Amino acid sequence: RKEVEQDPGPFNVPEGATVAFNCTYSNSASQSFFWYRQDCRKEPKLLMSVYSSGNEDGRFTAQLNRASQYISLLIRDSKLSDSATYLCVVTTRGNEKLTFGTGTRLTIIP
Amino acid sequence: GAVVSQHPSWVICKSGTSVKIECRSLDFQATTMFWYRQFPKQSLMLMATSNEGSKATYEQGVEKDKFLINHASLTLSTLTVTSAHPEDSSFYICSAINGPVDGYTFGSGTRLTVV
Repeated sequence: RKEVEQDPGPFNVPEGATVAFNCTYSNSASQSFFWYRQDCRKEPKLLMSVYSSGNEDGRFTAQLNRASQYISLLIRDSKLSDSATYLCVVTTRGNEKLTFGTGTRLTIIP
Repeated sequence: GAVVSQHPSWVICKSGTSVKIECRSLDFQATTMFWYRQFPKQSLMLMATSNEGSKATYEQGVEKDKFLINHASLTLSTLTVTSAHPEDSSFYICSAINGPVDGYTFGSGTRLTVV
């Protein structure tokens, strides 16, 4: 089993729609959680950190459920510029390395 | 914000030759640099962790004699792919930690094609 698993995708959704991504992690010692976005042939860029209390940044909302080892990302009112691959990323207690999920490809359709 | 400059952006080399990839932290000291590899339609896989002044720690399955990592200064880490083969063709990317606020900063990546 992969350490970080995501929806396989791809997601093709119309502009203005709401889209949700899910992610599960297998290591209960996972400590920090992030969503990154990666455009084609580019480096990943941090979208937001994920906290147990949930956090929101404009149209983006992230949730963490430690009991279920589950992370989610909600994008509201999707824009064409949201088209990218979204990567669920975790770190483990005592270890600074990032472990990436396989990513979910999102395409926003005009 | 923090910047990690990675060069070259892309390189094509002949099978059997070696390629060096550089990552420089421009405005901070990167005591730790992570090196990742990404094959098409796959996620980033950590290859190794390098710490300034010490030997790199390689992930399971990554050949340390093939992927030479040098982190001789606080602002420069290099990855050399030795005796490259077509199966080494991939997107290589580095990342450094710039403190608890800025977090991880990624280089722009190097696309290696071995022919």
